[in-house]
Amino acid sequence: SQTIHQWPATLVQPVGSPLSLECTVEGTSNPNLYWYRQAAGRGLQLLFYSVGIGQISSEVPQNLSASRPQDRQFILSSKKLLLSDSGFYLCAWSLGTGHYYGYTFGSGTRLTVV
Amino acid sequence: AQKITQTQPGMFVQEKEAVTLDCTYDTSDQSYGLFWYKQPSSGEMIFLIYQGSYDEQNATEGRYSLNFQKARKSANLVISASQLGDSAMYFCAMREPGNQFYFGTGTSLTVIP
Repeated sequence: SQTIHQWPATLVQPVGSPLSLECTVEGTSNPNLYWYRQAAGRGLQLLFYSVGIGQISSEVPQNLSASRPQDRQFILSSKKLLLSDSGFYLCAWSLGTGHYYGYTFGSGTRLTVV
Repeated sequence: AQKITQTQPGMFVQEKEAVTLDCTYDTSDQSYGLFWYKQPSSGEMIFLIYQGSYDEQNATEGRYSLNFQKARKSANLVISASQLGDSAMYFCAMREPGNQFYFGTGTSLTVIP
């Protein structure tokens, strides 16, 4: 069966520090991968998605970046965190782009920038 | 225009009662999928139920059913026999062909003992 792992679960980082969040999927090949952010009490905002190794699409211009160094690994990074980067980050995967494919989400990372 | 609209920011339901969470959607595609996710306080998004645009029957998964009214573009979630563990945020979502997956703003459900 397929599983998705996301870590760390919580993170407190000072302003200006770097960030690296990692997400890996097991049990499937060539998944579509997604990074979402959820501000407190709000909906989900798509940040990045990837349909293959090295292929990254950005939905929102900001100081975050994403990379996919391996088929089932998706990394969210920042060189210098801002206070506004605080939030709940969710990684998700999907088998394809058909309308019948839902997302499976990781357990999330709660990031607090101080 | 919003692709997914959830007009109920918060809902309360008595334990063991049924509750309906509203969701309307906007699309010009003939093929689309409708999803409901549950987000408890831990934060994880849990898939509940799926309805395809061509499905004629309403989807059901245990105590969850999706009241699909295509002409009205609504996809309401019905939870029967509410339990305390049902207290959570609920998100309606729609997927059109491609990488676009639209989420609503969510409804916070509180089950009262």
